[in-house]
Amino acid sequence: AQSVSQHNHHVILSEAASLELGCNYSYGGTVNLFWYVQYPGQHLQLLLKYFSGDPLVKGIKGFEAEFIKSKFSFNLRKPSVQWSDTAEYFCAVSNLKAAGNKLTFGGGTRVLVKP
Amino acid sequence: DGGITQSPKYLFRKEGQNVTLSCEQNLNHDAMYWYRQDPGQGLRLIYYSQIVNDFQKGDIAEGYSVSREKKESFPLTVTSAQKNPTAFYLCASSIGGGGHAEAFFGQGTRLTVV
Repeated sequence: AQSVSQHNHHVILSEAASLELGCNYSYGGTVNLFWYVQYPGQHLQLLLKYFSGDPLVKGIKGFEAEFIKSKFSFNLRKPSVQWSDTAEYFCAVSNLKAAGNKLTFGGGTRVLVKP
Repeated sequence: DGGITQSPKYLFRKEGQNVTLSCEQNLNHDAMYWYRQDPGQGLRLIYYSQIVNDFQKGDIAEGYSVSREKKESFPLTVTSAQKNPTAFYLCASSIGGGGHAEAFFGQGTRLTVV
């Protein structure tokens, strides 16, 4: 069974600092990779996704992620965070060979950006 | 306005009672999912359905049941057999099929057992 690990449970940083959130997955076959964000009081929404092609993926709100197949990683980055980036971030993987296109999520990382 | 609607937003249940959480989507998606969110554990899959009148267990199906009688509806029943039902429940849908489809999520239902 596939699994997803997010290394940091909580991250606190100041505005304008750079952010990098780690994500590693266990499945060795072809996967789709996602980062979702949950702002306080809001529903989960997609930040970015990787299916194939360029391993550097750009998403909304200045976020990007890099897929490194050899490391089974899909780390999320943002060069300069804003207070409004305070949220919980979830990495997720879907296995193309598994039925149902279901997502396996990491444990989430709570990010607090101090003004 | 297309999307996924979960109701109610907050739900309180007495121990020993069954309770049903509603999930409706008007995105014309084939696949629907129920996840449970607990602090530090991310989202865990309870049940999913790829097509009407068909559904499969996810990773933590014990104590839950679902039905998929209509494409737009996928209600989740939390039964008295669920040992630790207090949690935040999220419903999602996707186009379905063989991958490449992102999931869209509802606002969630917070269930508290009192």
